[in-house]
Amino acid sequence: DQQVKQNSPSLSVQEGRISILNCDYTNSMFDYFLWYKKYPAEGPTFLISISSIKDKNEDGRFTVFLNKSAKHLSLHIVPSQPGDSAVYFCAASYSMDKLVFGAGTILRVKS
Amino acid sequence: NAGVMQNPRHLVRRRGQEARLRCSPVKGHSHVYWYRQLPEEGLKFMVYLQKENIIDESGMPKERFSAEFPKEGPSILRIQQVVRGDSAAYFCASSQRGGASTGELFFGEGSRLTVL
Repeated sequence: DQQVKQNSPSLSVQEGRISILNCDYTNSMFDYFLWYKKYPAEGPTFLISISSIKDKNEDGRFTVFLNKSAKHLSLHIVPSQPGDSAVYFCAASYSMDKLVFGAGTILRVKS
Repeated sequence: NAGVMQNPRHLVRRRGQEARLRCSPVKGHSHVYWYRQLPEEGLKFMVYLQKENIIDESGMPKERFSAEFPKEGPSILRIQQVVRGDSAAYFCASSQRGGASTGELFFGEGSRLTVL
């Protein structure tokens, strides 16, 4: 039962360009969405979040867009840096309940 | 770094043995979550605990798995009679309150269980 899907297992981007990571969800009850970043042999760390009452949230180089009608969200990283190379997990929850994670997308930023 | 501490980082067990994974939350955090990551998959929720209480164990397999978070000491995830399919990375996360939705989850580095 994959309620949160990240259909691209990996993404490769040139340094300085934009990275766009996508996430789709099936449960219309989700009301909060988050992105986590994970380096090898480390735990996930919180990156950015968005409530379902918004369609955009920005924090420095990171912007998350939410399209509720399409049940789709995306994370934009501009400009991409080599240190951004990591696994990015999309997560969702409803009513302050547990997080449901996607399978992750490996981002590689080439210098 | 007074973050979430998990041990052991790596654990090897033979089929049929028991595995115990420990998690010390961030100081002052009373909410603990356990997640499991199988190869090529995302993190799957297992259980949510507060001190001395299991709040939500909907993600825990019905048999062989148990979790506790005693009044004193770390949270423990216990797997009895391990099988090869239990091989995974087990992540613990903590929060100051039930803030799973607010990004206030702090994750540990994980415990990697390998069952031979």
